[in-house]
Amino acid sequence: GENVEQHPSTLSVQEGDSAVIKCTYSDSASNYFPWYKQELGKGPQLIIDIRSNVGEKKDQRIAVTLNKTAKHFSLHITETQPEDSAVYFCAAHHGFQKLVFGTGTRLLVSP
Amino acid sequence: DSGVTQTPKHLITATGQRVTLRCSPRSGDLSVYWYQQSLDQGLQFLIQYYNGEERAKGNILERFSAQQFPDLHSELNLSSLELGDSALYFCASSGTGSTNEKLFFGSGTQLSVL
Repeated sequence: GENVEQHPSTLSVQEGDSAVIKCTYSDSASNYFPWYKQELGKGPQLIIDIRSNVGEKKDQRIAVTLNKTAKHFSLHITETQPEDSAVYFCAAHHGFQKLVFGTGTRLLVSP
Repeated sequence: DSGVTQTPKHLITATGQRVTLRCSPRSGDLSVYWYQQSLDQGLQFLIQYYNGEERAKGNILERFSAQQFPDLHSELNLSSLELGDSALYFCASSGTGSTNEKLFFGSGTQLSVL
């Protein structure tokens, strides 16, 4: 089955800096890669996703890149703000298989 | 607001007891997923239902069971509870067609087994 590894487990940055979170997946047939943000006391919320036929996708300050050959994808957050502080999860999905999540990255943005 | 409703928000019970967690998916979504989140395990997939039928099974214990009713709401039943079952339980739903991979999560049920 699919296995998703996520790094780092914690990330501390200063406000205004960029943050990068990386994930690798094992199943080359996976074709959909979402990123979720989980704030304290809330459920995970989809923030951006990318399909395997696209190499990069941007939405304002966040972007995701995908390298199918290397089977890894990354989340980039630019100009970080304190409200970006949360736990971020990557995931991989293949067909009707379940969404498999990474172990999460706790991002702390200090003012 | 994701549109997915979970009740109750908090549940405190004792070992050996049985509890039921309830989930109402987003309007129109046919798939319901249950995930368990504990501090050291991340988000673990338990089970998926699609339009009343079990679609996929993950690491769900035999003491746990779920079902999806004709009105599409779902219930997760946890029995013979152990201390280690204490966790956040999330329900998520998804639509059909090209959006069926996008999961929308509820705010979870925090289960504490004492």
